[in-house]
Amino acid sequence: AQSVTQLDSHVSVSEGTPVLLRCNYSSSYSPSLFWYVQHPNKGLQLLLKYTSAATLVKGINGFEAEFKKSETSFHLTKPSAHMSDAAEYFCVVSDPYNNNDMRFGAGTRLTVKP
Amino acid sequence: DGGITQSPKYLFRKEGQNVTLSCEQNLNHDAMYWYRQDPGQGLRLIYYSQIVNDFQKGDIAEGYSVSREKKESFPLTVTSAQKNPTAFYLCASAGGATYEQYFGPGTRLTVT
Repeated sequence: AQSVTQLDSHVSVSEGTPVLLRCNYSSSYSPSLFWYVQHPNKGLQLLLKYTSAATLVKGINGFEAEFKKSETSFHLTKPSAHMSDAAEYFCVVSDPYNNNDMRFGAGTRLTVKP
Repeated sequence: DGGITQSPKYLFRKEGQNVTLSCEQNLNHDAMYWYRQDPGQGLRLIYYSQIVNDFQKGDIAEGYSVSREKKESFPLTVTSAQKNPTAFYLCASAGGATYEQYFGPGTRLTVT
């Protein structure tokens, strides 16, 4: 069975400083991995995805994530936080060999201080 | 304007009443999903459908029912058997080569 663990439930950064949201996964197969963002009372928006191509994946709004198989990690980063980045972020693992079954992490709430 | 629509945005019901949440997509996706989100928690899968006229239970299907009579539509009924129905409900669809899911804006259901 596959699963994903987001290591921090809450991350707080100052505007203009780097962002690091950590995610570890467990999967029997080579998984597909995603990061989604959710603003309050909204649906989820796809930030980026890894599907066995380049290990460094660039997404929207300046975010990127690196797939590290040896560490089973897929951490999300951004060089400089903006106030509009404040939201909930979900790491998701998908098994393409099992009906694309998707498992969501519990989420990390990002707070950006002025 | 392609995407997924959910209606209504907010829904209030009395305990003991069934209620149906709407989900429509015009992305021509084969697969559709319903999730439930509670405060401070991730998403939990209620039901999913890979193709028209077929659907499977997810992790928390008890007290819910669905239908998939058309490719574009996947309504969710929250029955009176669902013990704690107040939550934020998200619908998603998936298709294409990488099969990532696209989400609707959600419906917040409050049952009193």
